Amino acid sequence: NAGVMQNPRHLVRRRGQEARLRCSPMKGHSHVYWYRQLPEEGLKFMVYLQKENIIDESGMPKERFSAEFPKEGPSILRIQQVVRGDSAAYFCASSPSGQHSNQPQHFGDGTRLSIL
Amino acid sequence: GQQVMQIPQYQHVQEGEDFTTYCNSSTTLSNIQWYKQRPGGHPVFLIQLVKSGEVKKQKRLTFQFGEAKKNSSLHITATQTTDVGTYFCAGRAGAQKLVFGQGTRLTINP
Repeated sequence: NAGVMQNPRHLVRRRGQEARLRCSPMKGHSHVYWYRQLPEEGLKFMVYLQKENIIDESGMPKERFSAEFPKEGPSILRIQQVVRGDSAAYFCASSPSGQHSNQPQHFGDGTRLSIL
Repeated sequence: GQQVMQIPQYQHVQEGEDFTTYCNSSTTLSNIQWYKQRPGGHPVFLIQLVKSGEVKKQKRLTFQFGEAKKNSSLHITATQTTDVGTYFCAGRAGAQKLVFGQGTRLTINP
């Protein structure tokens, strides 16, 4: 019974390149959340998606960041023209029902993004 | 908007000592969840509290939800080295999204 799968676990990019982070939710879960965590800091909500829909992107930076959750395949968090400040751990979580329910969120192992 | 604050930010204890982290919300919560993140790991769901004044126990961990449903605490009795990690509370106010606190990082001297 696979949990939330994120890849890659570690990603190194040079400034100006693009970073693509992938997340496959747990089986039976159709709600995906992305969080960013800076070293020794808390979890900052970025975006909440259902299949083919962005439900809440209030935590997403206005520029360079985008997210999708297509009908087929994993959810993708895309960061264009990365800068040093984008270095962080990016966690994906999933739940069987929406963020307004009482269901806990199940987290993946995260992608550690390092910008050179 | 809704804010969830946790204190302390850091706590260092001797093995065997007790540990408590506190979570306070700016608004009344419909429920609160607690997560633990081991160093280098990912957050793992521990428990959820829903009722006013609710107390739940998991072995040496005791979770409380305040009467006014605006605060919560996690108490660990007689800490062990396996308790090391960051403990996050996450609260939801009504139909709002889940908001995580900043976490309390627990380190233990064996």
